[in-house]
Amino acid sequence: QQQVKQSPQSLIVQKGGISIINCAYENTAFDYFPWYQQFPGKGPALLIAIRPDVSEKKEGRFTISFNKSAKQFSLHIMDSQPGDSATYFCAASGGFNDYKLSFGAGTTVTVRA
Amino acid sequence: DTAVSQTPKYLVTQMGNDKSIKCEQNLGHDTMYWYKQDSKKFLKIMFSYNNKELIINETVPNRFSPKSPDKAHLNLHINSLELGDSAVYFCASSRSGGAGSNEQFFGPGTRLTVL
Repeated sequence: QQQVKQSPQSLIVQKGGISIINCAYENTAFDYFPWYQQFPGKGPALLIAIRPDVSEKKEGRFTISFNKSAKQFSLHIMDSQPGDSATYFCAASGGFNDYKLSFGAGTTVTVRA
Repeated sequence: DTAVSQTPKYLVTQMGNDKSIKCEQNLGHDTMYWYKQDSKKFLKIMFSYNNKELIINETVPNRFSPKSPDKAHLNLHINSLELGDSAVYFCASSRSGGAGSNEQFFGPGTRLTVL
């Protein structure tokens, strides 16, 4: 059973636009929420991560917003560029088995020039 | 320098065969993982080793057997391959402390096709 639900499955955005990907979780023991970026033919790579003690984290054009009460978090890609075209995975871990990352189903982002 | 490497990159084989995928990391990490990514890109943890000790063993057919000869290597052996085993298999590594505190570094993947 998927512990992290991610939407949308795919999205298309124009260059310079904003891409928004949403994730929701149920396990209140989760305390680490990373986002991974995967290009075709490559392995996933950590993009940005957040812990529940902050509501927002920004790194360059990428921002995570975190809503602990709603058990939701989202990734915003500002000023989207064609090079951002990739599959994005949210994930969560924490609690008893801290080694295990539970991934969302992934969102394929296509940025049109 | 390649941080996490896997061999082979592509593996095409017949049903019923036995095959192995090798993984090596040169990051000095002591935790390693195997993931399976299906055709819909869903990533699922299969196994994890910490200091050569198995710490995660998800619901995976016992045809899959991981082996960690040392902290830098984690191999995956698959017996009696089935069509449903076709997927991309990723190896990953991280420092100790678990996924909650340490970034996982993924290898380039091995695309397994079972005919």
